[in-house]
Amino acid sequence: QVQLVESGGGVVQPGGSLRLSCAASGFTFSSYGMHWVRQAPGKGLEWVAFIRYDGSNKYYADSVKGRFTISRDNSKNTLYLQMNSLRAEDTAVYYCAKDADGSQGSFDLWGRGTLVTVSS
Amino acid sequence: AIQLTQSPSSLSASVGDRVTITCRASQGISSALAWYQQKPGKAPKLLIYDASSLESGVPSRFSGSGSGTDFTLTISSLQPEDFATYYCQQFNNYPRVTFGPGTKVDIK
Repeated sequence: QVQLVESGGGVVQPGGSLRLSCAASGFTFSSYGMHWVRQAPGKGLEWVAFIRYDGSNKYYADSVKGRFTISRDNSKNTLYLQMNSLRAEDTAVYYCAKDADGSQGSFDLWGRGTLVTVSS
Repeated sequence: AIQLTQSPSSLSASVGDRVTITCRASQGISSALAWYQQKPGKAPKLLIYDASSLESGVPSRFSGSGSGTDFTLTISSLQPEDFATYYCQQFNNYPRVTFGPGTKVDIK
């Protein structure tokens, strides 16, 4: 079954850390660039980070640069997002998403998301 | 950074109506645009990529058009399952993509 399943969300205090995971199955994970996208409660979609299929290049939104780190383990078919120095404005559902076949840049597979709440 | 605007921000329509949503980019993005549908509590779903290509499995009542700065998503005959929020997304400066603010389509 082709799917992405996020985990690792929860409630964390401001300044704290959290690591999200995204387990991939049903496709050749190591062949695709992967993204994290977030959605604050009641708000729109915000791209967070990207990692190339082989992990050689990483890009971040300015809002998370220096605080978040994207990584992947192709042997485990898993994508990660290490989030440090969390702020209230990082509260959101975090989705992992896969680059589309034939159209690099659109996302043809999304996970169900994991909720991160930053609150004291 | 490339900004996207969508209009309208919301609309009310009836089953069977033809619905058109517009997305405008702050600078030219060729055909590097996608459209997504999102229902409450669910992940976004890809509908259209490269401005006008229909994603596999998406009903043919959905269509996309445009290039450069102006794009349109059209639903030819609105169905009950189409009530949702629709987002455009540009990927001209991939991998740094941006999304439009969304258009909510609800029942009239």
